[in-house]
Amino acid sequence: RKEVEQDPGPFNVPEGATVAFNCTYSNSASQSFFWYRQDCRKEPKLLMSVYSSGNEDGRFTAQLNRASQYISLLIRDSKLSDSATYLCVVNLGDTGRRALTFGSGTRLQVQP
Amino acid sequence: EPEVTQTPSHQVTQMGQEVILRCVPISNHLYFYWYRQILGQKVEFLVSFYNNEISEKSEIFDDQFSVERPDGSNFTLKIRSTKLEDSAMYFCASSEGRGAYEQYFGPGTRLTVT
Repeated sequence: RKEVEQDPGPFNVPEGATVAFNCTYSNSASQSFFWYRQDCRKEPKLLMSVYSSGNEDGRFTAQLNRASQYISLLIRDSKLSDSATYLCVVNLGDTGRRALTFGSGTRLQVQP
Repeated sequence: EPEVTQTPSHQVTQMGQEVILRCVPISNHLYFYWYRQILGQKVEFLVSFYNNEISEKSEIFDDQFSVERPDGSNFTLKIRSTKLEDSAMYFCASSEGRGAYEQYFGPGTRLTVT
């Protein structure tokens, strides 16, 4: 089983649509969880951290289900500028280890 | 807004040559990292650095790689004898440390080994 697994997509959605991405991770001892976005040939940019209680930042909502080892990202009212690859990122290590493990990413294309 | 910077943006080198990639992390951050991304593949962790020493490294980070913080601002990755398969985008990242695990990435150096 891959350490961090994502549906590669692409997800092609019209502007204004709601789209959801899912991610599973293999290590139940994982400590920290994030969503990053990556535009073509650019660096990963932190979108949001994911907390057990769930968290929201504007149009973006992230959820964590530790029992199922599952993370989700919901984007409401999609904009053209949301077109990017969304990376599910996990800190798999024991407390104090900081290496991030990246999924392969889910590509989103928002169409006019 | 403070950001991580990296130089050069693109480096072309011949197989067997040494290269040094440079990074300036965010100034109050305590942890520094190098990652790489081979074209079309996922981002992979190489090494983390804290308190002037390596705190963690991956299997990729073998004896041909080394890191250094030569002064109070720069953080470097050296590849001693480059191979064709070292061609990739190399990202530097930094994090505040303590309880903050979020990492912020620089724009990357594209390394092409010919």
